[in-house]
Amino acid sequence: KAGVTQTPRYLIKTRGQQVTLSCSPISGHRSVSWYQQTPGQGLQFLFEYFSETQRNKGNFPGRFSGRQFSNSRSEMNVSTLELGDSALYLCASSRDRVSGETQYFGPGTRLLVL
Amino acid sequence: ILNVEQSPQSLHVQEGDSTNFTCSFPSSNFYALHWYRWETAKSPEALFVMTLNGDEKKKGRISATLNTKEGYSYLYIKGSQPEDSATYLCAFYHYGGSQGNLIFGKGTKLSVKP
Repeated sequence: KAGVTQTPRYLIKTRGQQVTLSCSPISGHRSVSWYQQTPGQGLQFLFEYFSETQRNKGNFPGRFSGRQFSNSRSEMNVSTLELGDSALYLCASSRDRVSGETQYFGPGTRLLVL
Repeated sequence: ILNVEQSPQSLHVQEGDSTNFTCSFPSSNFYALHWYRWETAKSPEALFVMTLNGDEKKKGRISATLNTKEGYSYLYIKGSQPEDSATYLCAFYHYGGSQGNLIFGKGTKLSVKP
């Protein structure tokens, strides 16, 4: 069974640009969650999508948005990039609501904003 | 503000030593507690998902216990091996209203010397 994949793996952008990251969950998984990790911080929850609907959103500005397609693939978009957006972005998939379900992580996209 | 605390922040042990770490979380509205192992340059890997007070789970030399009434979980590694070197993360599933998400601690970084 193929794992969670994320593209691209590395990305360099400049301030003010926008970026789109992609996540393909494990086949059959309907829930996709996105997390941000910056140095010294734990994984910070961005949002969760389930069956094309955003079920929950973390405490991030509106510049961070996402969507999920009918095949459960998800994209995350960050507009008007700031230096502080430089981070590792991880997505994770699970069969259903993440509470009691094992969550499987992708390898992450490392974003550098110059 | 909900917080998940992990201690110690880092730990250096010799091969063969047994070790344990602590995860503290809010004891109210408990839903689930997740443990992950995150090796450098890899994706976080799920170890355990625990939902019941008194739960004990085991995977090889690694085991975990859960006390939801007092809000803590212990992770034990028996006879540490160099391949156990990783950051161990715990995450508390917070459920508020109709939505929930995982809140991660900052992790305990374990280094096992041969």
